[in-house]
Amino acid sequence: KAGVTQTPRYLIKTRGQQVTLSCSPISGHRSVSWYQQTPGQGLQFLFEYFSETQRNKGNFPGRFSGRQFSNSRSEMNVSTLELGDSALYLCASSFGGTVSGNTIYFGEGSWLTVV
Amino acid sequence: EDQVTQSPEALRLQEGESSSLNCSYTVSGLRGLFWYRQDPGKGPEFLFTLYSAGEEKEKERLKATLTKKESFLHITAPKPEDSATYLCAVQVNDYKLSFGAGTTVTVRA
Repeated sequence: KAGVTQTPRYLIKTRGQQVTLSCSPISGHRSVSWYQQTPGQGLQFLFEYFSETQRNKGNFPGRFSGRQFSNSRSEMNVSTLELGDSALYLCASSFGGTVSGNTIYFGEGSWLTVV
Repeated sequence: EDQVTQSPEALRLQEGESSSLNCSYTVSGLRGLFWYRQDPGKGPEFLFTLYSAGEEKEKERLKATLTKKESFLHITAPKPEDSATYLCAVQVNDYKLSFGAGTTVTVRA
């Protein structure tokens, strides 16, 4: 069974540019969430989607956005990149629907470096 | 605001030397407490979910326990391959995980 797949794995962008990251959840999973991981802040929740609807959003500026498609695949976009956006961006998937009993699985992440 | 605190920050063990990691939390409406293992440069790997005080789960040399305010991850007779960062996370009513900062475990042969 394939795990959570994230692309690209590594990318370098320049300040002011924008970036789009992609996530394919485990087959059958309808919930996709995104996290940012940095050495200083650890893992922080960005947003969660279920059946194409954003159900929850973390404390990040509006430059961070996401969407989910009908096949549950998800993308997140960061516009007007800043040096502080350099991080490992992790996607996670679960069956969703109800909270209890849902194991949440993570992908390997996309390493973003902003120069 | 949910708070998750892991201790110690780092743990150096000799192979075979058992120890415990602590995860204390302050949340309202805990739905689940998750333990993950993360190797350098990789995404978190799921280990356990605990749902209610008194619950215990085991996997190989790892055992997780849960009380009303904290969880412990016990590592019995660790091997070098158990070296990793262990992350604790709580899930509350709003479908997100709040993570602790992690405990980095190094097991020397």
